[in-house]
Amino acid sequence: QVQLQESGPGLVRPSQTLSLTCTVSGGAISVNDYYWNWIRQHPGKGPEWVASIHYTGTTHYNPSLESRLTISVDTSKNRFSLRLTSVTAADAAVYYCARLDFDKYVYDSWGLGTRVTVSS
Amino acid sequence: EMVMTQSPATLSVSPGERATLSCRASENLARNLAWYQQKPGQAPRLLIYDASTRATGVPARFSGSGSGTEFTLTISSLQSEDIAVYYCQQYNNWPPRGITFGPGTKVAIK
Repeated sequence: QVQLQESGPGLVRPSQTLSLTCTVSGGAISVNDYYWNWIRQHPGKGPEWVASIHYTGTTHYNPSLESRLTISVDTSKNRFSLRLTSVTAADAAVYYCARLDFDKYVYDSWGLGTRVTVSS
Repeated sequence: EMVMTQSPATLSVSPGERATLSCRASENLARNLAWYQQKPGQAPRLLIYDASTRATGVPARFSGSGSGTEFTLTISSLQSEDIAVYYCQQYNNWPPRGITFGPGTKVAIK
């Protein structure tokens, strides 16, 4: 059973860059059937899709965040990463990595989530 | 822009009774809708996809229905472990447009 684990700093200063990594275990990231995703959730709100990447390098970004986002994949280490530049308080949230089944278009595996605080 | 709404915001149900949750989309989704369950401190868990197909391991008391713009999640006999927030998620236009979730319905014990 695939497992995903987020890692990264819990505290980021305003205007700085948030960097998160998701390590995948129990299954290969280089599988054609899946996209690998970052999803965030603000307190009391529904999840918000942030970015997706296929192991081939194809990427998709939330249009409202796209200018500040970079998602990348490292197949040799079975992990993928997110960079979000120029963070503000509005970027404070729980960030999840998740696997999207490209056949059913649903997130079938999730990490535990990592809470990101934006503060000076 | 695709907008998802859910009602009610909070639903209080007695154990063993039926819970009915609604999700509405601003555009026709056909049957491209999923439901997730999220318990406090946990990640969402996939329950239903393609509007009515239960995901692996999901109890039969959970069922989904609907198409187009109106969808329903039904818990036929509420158990204490079903206390959670339930989100609908549309995937009608990804890529390149985003996958979006509704704001959620919180299910509580009456």
